[in-house]
Amino acid sequence: DTGVSQNPRHKITKRGQNVTFRCDPISEHNRLYWYRQTLGQGPEFLTYFQNEAQLEKSRLLSDRFSAERPKGSFSTLEIQRTEQGDSAMYLCASSSPPQGAEGNTIYFGEGSWLTVV
Amino acid sequence: AQSVTQLGSHVSVSEGALVLLRCNYSSSVPPYLFWYVQYPNQGLQLLLKYTTGATLVKGINGFEAEFKKSETSFHLTKPSAHMSDAAEYFCAVSGYPSGGYQKVTFGIGTKLQVIP
Repeated sequence: DTGVSQNPRHKITKRGQNVTFRCDPISEHNRLYWYRQTLGQGPEFLTYFQNEAQLEKSRLLSDRFSAERPKGSFSTLEIQRTEQGDSAMYLCASSSPPQGAEGNTIYFGEGSWLTVV
Repeated sequence: AQSVTQLGSHVSVSEGALVLLRCNYSSSVPPYLFWYVQYPNQGLQLLLKYTTGATLVKGINGFEAEFKKSETSFHLTKPSAHMSDAAEYFCAVSGYPSGGYQKVTFGIGTKLQVIP
């Protein structure tokens, strides 16, 4: 078990450019989440996948944001036409099916820092 | 709907002193409760969780938390603070996963400073 892996860990981009983040969940986890965290705040839910299906999207996920999980394994989060307000840490998490207590726990990756200049 | 309130965005304790980080939750269904720790520039690491059963939960690094339904609280404690405990701590709540999905809602976090 190598944990949830995210890359790149840091990205600096100019306003208006597109960026893409990748997340590789824990291998046996079929549930995958994206959260956003800004300075001084807790993580805020963005979207949730069960296998390849995107089952919920937060209203925080504007139309410039798109997330995919094409084969039910890794996921990508793309931000188009970045704005300075997009600067944040983007956290990916995964969990196993809800079997007993373990299935109610989500495990986070190290996060991907985005700075838009 | 569910929410978490963490009382005190910054807490300072002396090394060796008791650590108490407060968390109150609101949930329309029986909650599952979590504490995560975040070190600078890193992701969140699970400290402990309450799902069902024993209301006193022990976690890693000597931390524990007690679920008190009557007080809607899930405070985090550690008898003796260590310098390495300096970090940000997040309390989180989720409802029972319906259809396999558990939306987890986080508090704004409490930064713990440990003074030598």
